[in-house]
Amino acid sequence: EPEVTQTPSHQVTQMGQEVILRCVPISNHLYFYWYRQILGQKVEFLVSFYNNEISEKSEIFDDQFSVERPDGSNFTLKIRSTKLEDSAMYFCASSDGMHNQPQHFGDGTRLSIL
Amino acid sequence: QKEVEQNSGPLSVPEGAIASLNCTYSDRGSQSFFWYRQYSGKSPELIMFIYSNGDKEDGRFTAQLNKASQYVSLLIRDSQPSDSATYLCAVTGGTSYGKLTFGQGTILTVHP
Repeated sequence: EPEVTQTPSHQVTQMGQEVILRCVPISNHLYFYWYRQILGQKVEFLVSFYNNEISEKSEIFDDQFSVERPDGSNFTLKIRSTKLEDSAMYFCASSDGMHNQPQHFGDGTRLSIL
Repeated sequence: QKEVEQNSGPLSVPEGAIASLNCTYSDRGSQSFFWYRQYSGKSPELIMFIYSNGDKEDGRFTAQLNKASQYVSLLIRDSQPSDSATYLCAVTGGTSYGKLTFGQGTILTVHP
């Protein structure tokens, strides 16, 4: 069964450093998403992406965050200057439609900011 | 603020029983409803989705939707210890089309 893959599984970074989280969505999917989950809290939406542009973003997704689809398979989330509060699990998801289609999640990247 | 509310539990049921998980949502325009299962330290795994009022069955799982009451539920029949996990309710639609809004999850424990 096709799946969303994310790398790395765990990233440890010093505060203030830039980090790039990578995702390979399911190959025929057109809609891509990033979510995060702080330990013990609910899963929170960050951004949705379609047709090479952001469709929607949350208030969490400020100027420190950016997303990119650099080629036909990868989808990346960049945090420019990490803060301690960015420590969380980051999940990439993809779907083949917008609001009616299920989103399938990758295994996530655990980001730890020191 | 669009909210999705779940009883955080924990909900404990004996093996073989029916587990009933409930969820309410505040955005009356919500259109799509999803149940995900999340094991500790893992990612959300899609279990069921439902778009129309009524029941939808898939194996041991039944999703129920009542848009008038803004209520969606998940029934797990013949519960197994492997069903022990956190169950996340998520909705889309209304003013946000693709964005999933999650509840805080209900912890389910199935004991032998």
